Amino acid sequence: QVQLVESGGGVVQPGRSLRLSCAASEFSFNSHSMHWVRQAPGKGLEWVAVVWYDGSKKYYADSVKGRFTISRDTSRNTLYLQMNSLRAEDTAVYYCARDGNSGQFDYWGQGTLVTVSS
Amino acid sequence: QSALTQPASVSGSPGQSITISCTGTSSDVGYYNYVSWYQQHPGKAPKLLIYDVSNRPSGVSNRFSGSKSGNTASLTISGLQAEDEADYYCSSYTSSSTFWVFGGGTKLTVL
Repeated sequence: QVQLVESGGGVVQPGRSLRLSCAASEFSFNSHSMHWVRQAPGKGLEWVAVVWYDGSKKYYADSVKGRFTISRDTSRNTLYLQMNSLRAEDTAVYYCARDGNSGQFDYWGQGTLVTVSS
Repeated sequence: QSALTQPASVSGSPGQSITISCTGTSSDVGYYNYVSWYQQHPGKAPKLLIYDVSNRPSGVSNRFSGSKSGNTASLTISGLQAEDEADYYCSSYTSSSTFWVFGGGTKLTVL
């Protein structure tokens, strides 16, 4: 069964940095693009970033462009999200999600909560 | 404001059918067949219900079906059950700089 397990969330002050990880297992990690999707408390889903299956392309939502960096380590089957210059509006549960190779998010992790507050 | 427009809430009685709409533009829903639907229960991660407009992943009940006409996609749930009470989100690939967009979500209440 496909498993995605996020970690690294917590409380951080505005302007500081945080790195999220997503450990993937039970599927061929280097055959799938991977996404980060977030959900602010009580709000809807917001796509954040994607990294191509081979790491060759990375795209970001306008709201995080220039501040967040998505990456993947195939040797560790792990997806990362480096978040810099954090703002209060970045407070959300962050989910990693596998791309089903047709633009759909076919498996999701349980999410990790990031709270940006002074 | 979300890129795709969904009704904030819908309701239905057990056994009935309901339809949730998802309206986009000619840059997303109207152009690509990469429309998907997700179910989210409180405190849980979203679950994929429909992809490529009308395809169901294995294990998803055939009570869930999807369609599209022009810039509007729809999710229909037939034979409503109590466990269908949840939030539902549509998503589409888009040619805009956002790449992927979601609807604002629809809360389904089973009366």
